[in-house]
Amino acid sequence: EVQLVESGGGLVKPGGSLRLSCAASGFIFSTQSMNWVRQAPGKGLEWVSSISSTSGYIHYADSVRGRFTISRDNAKNSLYLQMNSLRAEDTAVYYCAREKGGTTMPTHWFDPWGQGTLVTVSS
Amino acid sequence: QSVLTQPPSASGTPGQRVTISCSGSSSNIGTNIVNWYQQFPGTAPKLLIYSNNQRPSGVPDRFSGSKSGTSASLAISGLQSEDEADYYCAAWDDSLNGWVFGGGTKLTVL
Repeated sequence: EVQLVESGGGLVKPGGSLRLSCAASGFIFSTQSMNWVRQAPGKGLEWVSSISSTSGYIHYADSVRGRFTISRDNAKNSLYLQMNSLRAEDTAVYYCAREKGGTTMPTHWFDPWGQGTLVTVSS
Repeated sequence: QSVLTQPPSASGTPGQRVTISCSGSSSNIGTNIVNWYQQFPGTAPKLLIYSNNQRPSGVPDRFSGSKSGTSASLAISGLQSEDEADYYCAAWDDSLNGWVFGGGTKLTVL
């Protein structure tokens, strides 16, 4: 069974840092692009970042570029999100999601999604 | 303000057919495929429709997707109470070089 399990969320003060992890199982992790998507309380989904299978292609949303860093360790079947200079507006549930689909990103979709980990930025 | 525009709410009675629209632009829906996700309260989103109109295995054929120009639609026929959820459209945006989502539509079954 394909499974994604996030961890590392918690309460952090504004300006602080946090590192999220996503443990993957049930598929060949090293061949799939991965993403982070977040959802602020009571709000919609917002894509955060994506990373290709070999880390050759990395993309960020404007709202996090320069503060967040996505990475992966294919030997450990794990995806990471290093979040620095956190702001109140970064408060959200963070989901990791596998990309599936054709040969290029515009032909992909997210399946499955992990259960999410809550990040709260507050003093 | 989301890049893709969805109505915030939709509703219908059991057995009815409901459609949810998703409006974008030439840099996203106009060029790339549209995917739809279903989310129940307190749970993670789940893939509902991919590549405009394809259903993953396990998704009932009551759910269908379509795309025309810079807009897409999700249709749910034979509405059931268990369809009450939030629905999101998504697509890759060539100008932003990233994924964009609609703001989500809350479906209520009356």
